[in-house]
Amino acid sequence: AQSVSQHNHHVILSEAASLELGCNYSYGGTVNLFWYVQYPGQHLQLLLKYFSGDPLVKGIKGFEAEFIKSKFSFNLRKPSVQWSDTAEYFCAVKRGYGGATNKLIFGTGTLLAVQP
Amino acid sequence: DGGITQSPKYLFRKEGQNVTLSCEQNLNHDAMYWYRQDPGQGLRLIYYSQIVNDFQKGDIAEGYSVSREKKESFPLTVTSAQKNPTAFYLCASNTGQAGSPLHFGNGTRLTVT
Repeated sequence: AQSVSQHNHHVILSEAASLELGCNYSYGGTVNLFWYVQYPGQHLQLLLKYFSGDPLVKGIKGFEAEFIKSKFSFNLRKPSVQWSDTAEYFCAVKRGYGGATNKLIFGTGTLLAVQP
Repeated sequence: DGGITQSPKYLFRKEGQNVTLSCEQNLNHDAMYWYRQDPGQGLRLIYYSQIVNDFQKGDIAEGYSVSREKKESFPLTVTSAQKNPTAFYLCASNTGQAGSPLHFGNGTRLTVT
């Protein structure tokens, strides 16, 4: 069965540290890849997505992610985190054969805490 | 502002009772979804609807039912057949086009005792 793995369940960083959150998926075909973020008390929102083209995608708030097809990975990165980045981050994968995001598979989430 | 409204934010029910969670969107989105979020399990798809008067089961549909009589509304009923109903429920919508990101509501936390 298709699955999405986020290996880090809890990450604690100090401000200005670099961040990399891992995301691996098991499906071998064409995929669309997403990172969603849920700030405390807020709804889930899209951080960035990969659909096609340049495998290095940039999102909001200085985040970026790189799609490495050979490694089935879509890791999220940020060079210097801020206290306001404290949130839960979800990786999600959809098979890329068109249609609605109806079979978006989510990872289990990574809780990031940034200490001031 | 356009968005998705889920109500209520917190809901308490006795075991054996059916309960309906509301989801309304004013984004003019064709597709709507219900997810369940449990600690350590991420989001799991319960039901989705790509168009009015049509819906499909997701990965964990047992014990749930939905309807889509209007484009803007997609209520979820948690029936007494759902063995573990206590959870955080998220409603989402998108245009239905490939790659269209999901827009989420703020969620409803259901507690069944």
